[in-house]
Amino acid sequence: EPEVTQTPSHQVTQMGQEVILRCVPISNHLYFYWYRQILGQKVEFLVSFYNNEISEKSEIFDDQFSVERPDGSNFTLKIRSTKLEDSAMYFCASSDDWQPQHFGDGTRLSIL
Amino acid sequence: RKEVEQDPGPFNVPEGATVAFNCTYSNSASQSFFWYRQDCRKEPKLLMSVYSSGNEDGRFTAQLNRASQYISLLIRDSKLSDSATYLCSSGSARQLTFGSGTQLTVLP
Repeated sequence: EPEVTQTPSHQVTQMGQEVILRCVPISNHLYFYWYRQILGQKVEFLVSFYNNEISEKSEIFDDQFSVERPDGSNFTLKIRSTKLEDSAMYFCASSDDWQPQHFGDGTRLSIL
Repeated sequence: RKEVEQDPGPFNVPEGATVAFNCTYSNSASQSFFWYRQDCRKEPKLLMSVYSSGNEDGRFTAQLNRASQYISLLIRDSKLSDSATYLCSSGSARQLTFGSGTQLTVLP
């Protein structure tokens, strides 16, 4: 069964540094998403992306965050200047139109 | 504010029991409803979509009541492998709002 893959599985970064999380969505999917889950809390929507632009974003997704689809397969989330509170699991997901979203196995981001 | 509320549990049930989870959502414009399961420190995995007419997949039955903005999941003949956190979600296909999850432990 096709999968969403994410790299790295664990990223440790100093506060204030930039970090890029990478995702390869399922190949025939057109809609891409990022969610995050702080330890012990709920899964929170960050952003959705379609046709090379952001469709929707939450209030969490401020100017420190950006997304990009640099080529035909990768979908990236960049955090420009990380804060301690950015420590979380970050999940990428993809879907076909109006179909359920399928999640990757996540990147654990630890900010020191 | 878009909210999805779930009873956090935990639900501890013996193998073979029937267990039901409930969920309410506040955004009346929601069009898509799903149940996901999440194992400890893993990604949410789609369990089933939820349709207005109700739908069943083996031992799992999901119901949606749009008038009450209420979603339910029934698990029959529970197995040890059903132990997980069950996440209710609603929204559009472009943005899902998740509940905090209901923790289920099935005991031998």
